[in-house]
Amino acid sequence: QQQVKQSPQSLIVQKGGISIINCAYENTAFDYFPWYQQFPGKGPALLIAIRPDVSEKKEGRFTISFNKSAKQFSLHIMDSQPGDSATYFCAASKRTWGGATNKLIFGTGTLLAVQP
Amino acid sequence: DVKVTQSSRYLVKRTGEKVFLECVQDMDHENMFWYRQDPGLGLRLIYFSYDVKMKEKGDIPEGYSVSREKKERFSLILESASTNQTSMYLCASDRLDARSNQPQHFGDGTRLSIL
Repeated sequence: QQQVKQSPQSLIVQKGGISIINCAYENTAFDYFPWYQQFPGKGPALLIAIRPDVSEKKEGRFTISFNKSAKQFSLHIMDSQPGDSATYFCAASKRTWGGATNKLIFGTGTLLAVQP
Repeated sequence: DVKVTQSSRYLVKRTGEKVFLECVQDMDHENMFWYRQDPGLGLRLIYFSYDVKMKEKGDIPEGYSVSREKKERFSLILESASTNQTSMYLCASDRLDARSNQPQHFGDGTRLSIL
């Protein structure tokens, strides 16, 4: 119940194409779903996040789609660029310790390569 | 910008040694976290702390302990290092906030090899 399943493990997309990464969860207590982006040699950094009261959130070329009934969410990268090449992690969180701490459960990661 | 600094980028230790990994954050964050990152397994939470001297077990605490004597510093301790603890270790911090979800800010990691 604590797992977040992420697919695909790796993805190759042509420049200008759409990259899609999918995640699924089981625990309905999760209430926050962030995506983190990690470049080689760096720590992950928050890219975009969504709460389950909305079905979609867009920030520039990055969109999260959220399907609460299916317990699935996905990251879409429009007009993918070589600079988007990185590892992407989805995560799910539930509040703990009086509601003030997010305990993140991460997916296994997707290595995205955008070819020029 | 928030900066989370991990004391070593690379570390090589021997089986049975006591190993200390240090992490410092400069944004007065209450929460601090230690993760390990392994290929195909993602990031897994080892321990976290929401205040000085307070600690809570994460999902894989076995073989590890932590120390938080000052707000800005969170140490991960491998009491007796074993080869299966060879991994990338990531420290993170975020602000305690009961009203909204705060992003976790990560350091660049310590790649630890146990020989």
